[in-house]
This record gives sequence, C-alpha cells and structure tokens, in this order.
Amino acid sequence: QVQLKESGPVLVQASETLSLTCTVSGFSLTNYGVIWVRQPPGKGLEWMGIIWRNGNTDYNSALKSRLSINRDTSKSQVFLKMNSLQTDDTAIYYCVTGSPNWFAYWGQGTLVTVSS
Amino acid sequence: DVVMTQTPVSLSVAIGQPASISCKSSQSLVGTSGKTYLNWLLQRPGQSPKRLIYLVSKLDSGIPDRFSGSGSETDFTLKISRVEADDLGVYYCLQGTHFPHTFGAGTKLELK
Repeated sequence: QVQLKESGPVLVQASETLSLTCTVSGFSLTNYGVIWVRQPPGKGLEWMGIIWRNGNTDYNSALKSRLSINRDTSKSQVFLKMNSLQTDDTAIYYCVTGSPNWFAYWGQGTLVTVSS
Repeated sequence: DVVMTQTPVSLSVAIGQPASISCKSSQSLVGTSGKTYLNWLLQRPGQSPKRLIYLVSKLDSGIPDRFSGSGSETDFTLKISRVEADDLGVYYCLQGTHFPHTFGAGTKLELK
C-alpha cells in the first residue's frame, strides 16, 4: 500500500539549514509527484512545493528563495532543504502524494523546532 | 494566491444531527481541463490530515456516504448528514487548481 514517512532532525538552530527526507513505498516517484506541506503547532496548513513525477519542481513563492526539493528515485526518497531558518519555521512537516492522486496519502509528519 | 475562506470557524453539533461547512475561493477553481480541484480534508486530533472528498464531490474510498460535497466556481459546501463521534476534528478545504495550492483556515467540529 502507499506509504510516506518523513525523517530528519527534531531541533534546528536559527539561521541554519533544515534537511528532511520523505521515504515512500507502494509507488514509484516516476509515477507520482510528492508535495511538502507544513503546519505550525496549533495552526493551519501551508503548501510548500512539489516535485513532479518528471523531476521538475514548483515552489510557493513565499518560500522559493530558501527552499529546494530533490529526489533519488532509486531509493524512493524525496528531499527538502530550506535555509535561513527562523523560529516561525517551527512546524510539523508532511510529505503528501501529488499528481495524479493529489493529497490522497499523507505521511505521519515530523515536528521540527527552530531554536533561537 | 487564491484565498480560501471557510465558515464557520467552529461548529458544535450533537451526535445524529447534520453539519455544514462553507468554503469560498477568491477566484474560480475551474481548471483548464474543465475540472474543479476542490478537496475536503479532516484532521483528527494528533493525526495527519486525511482526504475525504476530491473534485468537489467525489468521496474517497472508505468514506461514508453521510459526507457529501457540492458547489462550483467559487462556492463550495461540505455536508455531514448525521454527525458521529468519529467525525470530530478540524475540516479543511483545499484548492488544487492554482499554484500554490492553498488551504482554508479550518473548521473545528466539536460535540454539543
């Protein structure tokens, strides 16, 4: 069955770079896009960006200057990197299926706290 | 960016009673394909969001038919015909037509 699982550091210092990995199973990254969504504690959801099944990417313009999404199809992994972190980047980060089955499957999420 | 305005912010409903949530978008969600990429998600406490409805009115597998979605262009509604305890949580509308995809602020469904 389709599964996604996020992994990465729990705590990151302000001004540093966040690196997260989304490991997927049950599908190929050449058949599905993967989206990153984040949710500050107790708040709403923000779409961050997508890596399409062809490897192209699109980013939320609010984050574009700090964000990059890449993948390793052989390892079924998608990578998020975001630099210049601030305390308001503290959030649960989710990876989610994109095209063609948009938002059908979500990872469990990983809470990242940015410390000043 | 497309703004998704959800109302009400919170909803207190007795078990067995109906519930309705509205979602309005700041521009039409009809895509170039003619499809309308409007989704409804439910986030139960401590869990990841779960998609309930896609393309305005299509129920995901395993979602009871107590749930229904309707609407067009900029105006959408999620209805629960008879609320059950398992329905509690925060409901989000989500548009997938325009980039960046955007979410409503959420509607918290609580028991009366």
